[in-house]
Amino acid sequence: AQSVTQLGSHVSVSEGALVLLRCNYSSSVPPYLFWYVQYPNQGLQLLLKYTSAATLVKGINGFEAEFKKSETSFHLTKPSAHMSDAAEYFCAVSGSAGNQFYFGTGTSLTVIP
Amino acid sequence: KAGVTQTPRYLIKTRGQQVTLSCSPISGHRSVSWYQQTPGQGLQFLFEYFSETQRNKGNFPGRFSGRQFSNSRSEMNVSTLELGDSALYLCASSSYLSGGPGNTIYFGEGSWLTVV
Repeated sequence: AQSVTQLGSHVSVSEGALVLLRCNYSSSVPPYLFWYVQYPNQGLQLLLKYTSAATLVKGINGFEAEFKKSETSFHLTKPSAHMSDAAEYFCAVSGSAGNQFYFGTGTSLTVIP
Repeated sequence: KAGVTQTPRYLIKTRGQQVTLSCSPISGHRSVSWYQQTPGQGLQFLFEYFSETQRNKGNFPGRFSGRQFSNSRSEMNVSTLELGDSALYLCASSSYLSGGPGNTIYFGEGSWLTVV
């Protein structure tokens, strides 16, 4: 079975500071991992996707994530936070068949000016 | 290329009524999946359709149903609405290229359902 756990339901950073959002996965097979972002009153937008081609994945808006099998982690980072990064972030893992995704509980990012 | 389109965006229903939500996938995408998002339960998978056939189903009661048409458009229906059905219902589409896991799903903006 696949699942993901997001540590920290709320994260606050100062503008310009490093953003680190944590995600750990559990999977009986090599996982396909995703990060999505949700802005208020909107759907989810894909930030990046891990497919085993490279352990460091670059996404949109300056975000990147590193897959670490030994730690079963797929943390999301951005070197310098911007006010526009304030949103809800979801880590997800694809199921073993079809397009059923398992989502974490989300991390709300606040950027302090 | 137009994204996933969901209608209506907002609706209010009364307990006991039924509701139908519509989803038009990205052009060329044949897989459509539905998710329910609530503050308490987060994002939960409802079901997925591919080529008019339900492929996967989440752990929801039979009041929740869906279908897919030959043009890949999908609808979901909730009958006998309960207060707890108030949620954001998200539709996602995928090109389903490989036939297995790892396909990216693209979300619409959702339909906000309030049950009073």
